[in-house]
Amino acid sequence: DIQMTQSPSSLSASVGDRVTITCRASETIDNFLNWYQQKPGQAPEVLIVGASSLQTGVPSRFSGSGSGTDFTLTISNLQPEDFATYSCQQSYKSPYTFGQGTKLEIK
Amino acid sequence: QVQLQESGPGLVKPSETLSLTCTVSGDSISSYYWSWMRQSPGKGLEWLGNMYFSGTTSGTTNYNPSLKSRITTSADMSKNQVSLNLRSMTAADTAVYYCARVYSTSITWFGPWGRGIRVTVSS
Repeated sequence: DIQMTQSPSSLSASVGDRVTITCRASETIDNFLNWYQQKPGQAPEVLIVGASSLQTGVPSRFSGSGSGTDFTLTISNLQPEDFATYSCQQSYKSPYTFGQGTKLEIK
Repeated sequence: QVQLQESGPGLVKPSETLSLTCTVSGDSISSYYWSWMRQSPGKGLEWLGNMYFSGTTSGTTNYNPSLKSRITTSADMSKNQVSLNLRSMTAADTAVYYCARVYSTSITWFGPWGRGIRVTVSS
């Protein structure tokens, strides 16, 4: 199975900050990488597919980049509603696997 | 707007079979693939399998090999529901279980998701 490793596991930041979350695959996955946001008690929602394509309705302060094994999710100008857990997921090869999640908390 | 709702028991005894149902509204289950995922306490999301059902309830499936011997899925087209059965439950299967639509173009991703159902395995 392809292992997905996210860093950091948790992150404290303030409203207005810019943060970057990293996701590393144990083997190359081209750009078959998706990012999800999950708020407590809510269903995960997809933010970015194919490493960098923002889903409809997702604010432009979210961006994704990377290819191969290393990927990043960047959130600029953090807003109160952005404090959540973010997970990456590879769809290059079955079984599809997720990172362990990064919890973004308010400082 | 597609909405998904998981239902089933919140408590299962060890060695028993978990049966969960995902009721889909806003679209026909025969239009897409559907997926089950779970999240154990303190861990990341785990993909359990994808399934597609058209005119038959057995359908096309792709399961996580880690569960392949224990998992089965089915559909009730008249109720627009997909179901998950997971046999021989243990404490390690305690998790929040989610169903989601599989969206597949050149990239496969999951959305929307249901809100999840918490399942505890305990005697």
